[in-house]
Amino acid sequence: IAGITQAPTSQILAAGRRMTLRCTQDMRHNAMYWYRQDLGLGLRLIHYSNTAGTTGKGEVPDGYSVSRANTDDFPLTLASAVPSQTSVYFCASSAGTGKGGYTFGSGTRLTVV
Amino acid sequence: GESVGLHLPTLSVQEGDNSIINCAYSNSASDYFIWYKQESGKGPQFIIDIRSNMDKRQGQRVTVLLNKTVKHLSLQIAATQPGDSAVYFCAERRYGGSQGNLIFGKGTKLSVKP
Repeated sequence: IAGITQAPTSQILAAGRRMTLRCTQDMRHNAMYWYRQDLGLGLRLIHYSNTAGTTGKGEVPDGYSVSRANTDDFPLTLASAVPSQTSVYFCASSAGTGKGGYTFGSGTRLTVV
Repeated sequence: GESVGLHLPTLSVQEGDNSIINCAYSNSASDYFIWYKQESGKGPQFIIDIRSNMDKRQGQRVTVLLNKTVKHLSLQIAATQPGDSAVYFCAERRYGGSQGNLIFGKGTKLSVKP
């Protein structure tokens, strides 16, 4: 692994189902982030974690939850998916808040039907 | 409200020409700016950054210019190539706070004509 790995690459999900998007980094970055990207709306922050054991809400947190049990992993869970959660989801990391830019994963394309 | 935005949502250039992508920001407290490139189906990739104590920074074929007086950021790509076709985002860091502090613009699409 070099950088950030996201899984799955894409998924079609029935509305009401639970889904966890996985994100793993091997750079020992302290901070990790989840964004959703929608046409015309750009990248919107869902949740973030400044360090292992802590998480916080971003701009659009409703319907999503995260956990940060260790430095490397930052899964995003949709408890009960709705069609408005159809989007491309990007995980990112940085050495720390206010420290340089972000490294992004390749994204997960999620379609909720 | 405060925002990071782009003057041009789309830009079409001829291969070999220079490209200029512009970005306006409104928070004078921002101290760090980044340009990202996003190719179709991929995540954003870091291109170049600049700190607020600089006016210009050059990389390989790319130059970022920062005009703090008018809160304007630009990305110049020299001798644009087909591989430069992508969406380009600017981002600003608003120092302080707890959310990582990077605020992203909505992006501008660069199309390179052969």
